[in-house]
Amino acid sequence: DAGVTQSPTHLIKTRGQQVTLRCSPKSGHDTVSWYQQALGQGPQFIFQYYEEEERQRGNFPDRFSGHQFPNYSSELNVNALLLGDSALYLCASSLGSGRGDEQFFGPGTRLTVL
Amino acid sequence: GQSLEQPSEVTAVEGAIVQINCTYQTSGFYGLSWYQQHDGGAPTFLSYNALDGLEETGRFSSFLSRSDSYGYLLLQELQMKDSASYFCAASGNTPLVFGKGTRLSVIA
Repeated sequence: DAGVTQSPTHLIKTRGQQVTLRCSPKSGHDTVSWYQQALGQGPQFIFQYYEEEERQRGNFPDRFSGHQFPNYSSELNVNALLLGDSALYLCASSLGSGRGDEQFFGPGTRLTVL
Repeated sequence: GQSLEQPSEVTAVEGAIVQINCTYQTSGFYGLSWYQQHDGGAPTFLSYNALDGLEETGRFSSFLSRSDSYGYLLLQELQMKDSASYFCAASGNTPLVFGKGTRLSVIA
């Protein structure tokens, strides 16, 4: 049973560019959440997708957008990249909202913006 | 706003017991989770408390006091492999709000 997978593992972009990160949830999970983790910090909630809709959103600008597909996989898009967007981007899947449910995290995508 | 406070670093001896505290302020608090993250790895779920009291899972236990907005993670019989960062995370109006993490170093 495959866990949460993310691609790519590492990515280098320059300021102003756009990036798309991908996530496949754990088998049987229907909810995908995205987090940004800066070095030495805890993960920060970006948004959550359920039934192909953005269900909740954290305090991130509109440059951050996402999508969920019918097979529950998800994409995170970031436009007009800033140096401060450099971080580890984590995808987590759960069954349901994840409010009390265990969230399973993927290995993350390390994004570096130069 | 929502925030969680936990110590930034803790050092303990192999075989000992260590407690990592967490205080929280969240709207619509639902429960407190604990996650472990090794360097370069993904966070992995350790425990979850929605009700007051102690939850025990092997060498790890977690406690919650909703009236005090306080919880802790207790690690017993520490092993070198327990060296990692530990995050408390509150679920409420937002699915998970994480603390900044406590870096645990286990020494021989």
